Amino acid sequence: KAGVTQTPRYLIKTRGQQVTLSCSPISGHRSVSWYQQTPGQGLQFLFEYFSETQRNKGNFPGRFSGRQFSNSRSEMNVSTLELGDSALYLCAGASGEFTDTQYFGPGTRLTVL
Amino acid sequence: AQSVTQPDIHITVSEGASLELRCNYSYGATPYLFWYVQSPGQGLQLLLKYFSGDTLVQGIKGFEAEFKRSQSSFNLRKPSVHWSDAAEYFCAVEAPGTASKLTFGTGTRLQVTL
Repeated sequence: KAGVTQTPRYLIKTRGQQVTLSCSPISGHRSVSWYQQTPGQGLQFLFEYFSETQRNKGNFPGRFSGRQFSNSRSEMNVSTLELGDSALYLCAGASGEFTDTQYFGPGTRLTVL
Repeated sequence: AQSVTQPDIHITVSEGASLELRCNYSYGATPYLFWYVQSPGQGLQLLLKYFSGDTLVQGIKGFEAEFKRSQSSFNLRKPSVHWSDAAEYFCAVEAPGTASKLTFGTGTRLQVTL
C-alpha cells in the first residue's frame, strides 16, 4: 500500500497571501485529519473530514479551512497568511471508525515571510 | 477536555541502556492512548496504542507501554536502546467517540550516546 502523501513538501509564502495544501490518505481510508506543528505550540488539531464532511474541528481561526473530495483526498487552505502560520502541517488518514489508528504523512513545511 | 503531560523535554541515554518515557493524561474516563515517534523532518510513526484490555501493550521496534489507570499514566519503555531510536516521542490521547482527534503532549526528545 502506498503511504499518506502530502504536496507540496515545502512552501514559502509572504504575509497576506493564501496557500493550499493537499493530502491523499492510504487507499480505502475515508477520514483525513490535519494538524499544525510549531516549536511554541506543539502539535495541534485543526480539523477532520470524513466522507466529504467536516466531523471535528479544533480551535483555529476561520482563515484555516479545508475540504475533502469524493476520492478522500483533502485540501487545507489558509488565507491571509501571518508570520505565525509558519509551521509543519501534517495530515493523517484513517478508516474513520472510532477505534482506528491515524497514519501520518511526511508533512508540508510552510514558511511565511 | 483532555490533556497530556510529558514531563521530560529531553532525555539522554547510552546505547544499550533501558529507557522509560513518561506520559500522564487528564480525562474524565479512560481515553484511547498512543505513542508516536518523529524523526527530524519526518511525519509521525505510530509505535503502539491502547484502546482497552491488557494494560501492557507491545509495539514496534521493541517498545512497550503500560497503562496505569490509578496514576493516569501511559509510560513508554524499551529494555535496550539503539542509536537509531534517537528521535522525538509524542504521547497522545483521544476521547472515545471523537474519532481522529488526537491531543498530543509536548514531546520528549531522546538523544542516544554511543
